[in-house]
Amino acid sequence: NAGVTQTPKFRILKIGQSMTLQCTQDMNHNYMYWYRQDPGMGLKLIYYSVGAGITDKGEVPNGYNVSRSTTEDFPLRLELAAPSQTSVYFCASSYDRDSNQPQHFGDGTRLSIL
Amino acid sequence: AQTVTQSQPEMSVQEAETVTLSCTYDTSESDYYLFWYKQPPSRQMILVIRQEAYKQQNATENRFSVNFQKAAKSFSLKISDSQLGDAAMYFCAYRRGGGATNKLIFGTGTLLAVQP
Repeated sequence: NAGVTQTPKFRILKIGQSMTLQCTQDMNHNYMYWYRQDPGMGLKLIYYSVGAGITDKGEVPNGYNVSRSTTEDFPLRLELAAPSQTSVYFCASSYDRDSNQPQHFGDGTRLSIL
Repeated sequence: AQTVTQSQPEMSVQEAETVTLSCTYDTSESDYYLFWYKQPPSRQMILVIRQEAYKQQNATENRFSVNFQKAAKSFSLKISDSQLGDAAMYFCAYRRGGGATNKLIFGTGTLLAVQP
């Protein structure tokens, strides 16, 4: 009963470094999402995917890249880490066709850029 | 563009009492869904309750209920018989319907403290 699994849970990066945040789900959901949550704020959508091989930008995509080679996995890549990307990152998934279905969230990754 | 506003950054309630968290939203769509998510200190995002815009009846889930006022674009959450475990950040969220891409738009959250 894993649901949405994110790794790592915490990470500290230096400015200019790159890294990939991993996300995998075992619910056979077609839709997957990446959000960031800045202190005292709600979640903002970075990228989303409606199925394997299909991705699209959300509200705040700059500085990030994604790929979706399988239904299960939706990694988020930071190429040149900047202090403005210090945030908590959440991956989520949902069943596609019914907007009534809730999104299932991972436990988040706390990322600090120093 | 759709927006979600939570005007109460923090709220406090005594254990066993009732509290209402406010949420307003702005949209020109007629088909949409509204959600309340709970985020405890563990950071998990937990769905509390959902409401379909086409339903007039207010949603209820045990001690949680909503007051959905479609004309006023208001979607408040009422927590009855508050428990210590209810202490968390609560987010109101909106999603457009009609086969859309299920993007959630979140408010800025209300931090609820429960006093013993």
